[in-house]
Amino acid sequence: EAQVTQNPRYLITVTGKKLTVTCSQNMNHEYMSWYRQDPGLGLRQIYYSMNVEVTDKGDVPEGYKVSRKEKRNFPLILESPSPNQTSLYFCASSRLWARDTQYFGPGTRLTVL
Amino acid sequence: GQQLNQSPQSMFIQEGEDVSMNCTSSSIFNTWLWYKQDPGEGPVLLIALYKAGELTSNGRLTAQFGITRKDSFLNISASIPSDVGIYFCAGQQNYGGSQGNLIFGKGTKLSVKP
Repeated sequence: EAQVTQNPRYLITVTGKKLTVTCSQNMNHEYMSWYRQDPGLGLRQIYYSMNVEVTDKGDVPEGYKVSRKEKRNFPLILESPSPNQTSLYFCASSRLWARDTQYFGPGTRLTVL
Repeated sequence: GQQLNQSPQSMFIQEGEDVSMNCTSSSIFNTWLWYKQDPGEGPVLLIALYKAGELTSNGRLTAQFGITRKDSFLNISASIPSDVGIYFCAGQQNYGGSQGNLIFGKGTKLSVKP
């Protein structure tokens, strides 16, 4: 089954404790992206990747890091999480760019205390 | 950063009614996308538009890429209860041949009239 998986689905952590949210797709997609969704603000793109070892900043990259060492994985790293990073995070992938259907993961709800 | 103004923010529908929503921007976009998000799930792509003036349908949904490339609208005809959810527009620009990032509107929440 074609899918995008994210782990964990839910996470409560404390300020400053490094964390990684994993994202994996099994469709051999070149394009992957991370978004955060906040009430009243919609979806905002954090980082995206056009292919392995190619990443670029989205609209709100501050406080986040990503890596794309393999085509299927695109982890989101928060080196020193802060409460303003409490949000719902979505990973997405598509074969090329937005011209193809973007598949979204199920979401990760992160709370930073 | 850039913004898309999506309206209305929310609306109530009665089964059988037609629904319209739109997105506008001060910037030109090369691609417009419309997504729907159900509670607890990620957004699902409904319609993608690639050319100014393009009108595309997907079942009861019709979307248009504005001729100025600064706006797009989505119509839902003869709405049914499962149409409730949040609808997002998204725009994308190209910079010197390379793809830009995707900008989302804040969403239009569709609910059923009590």
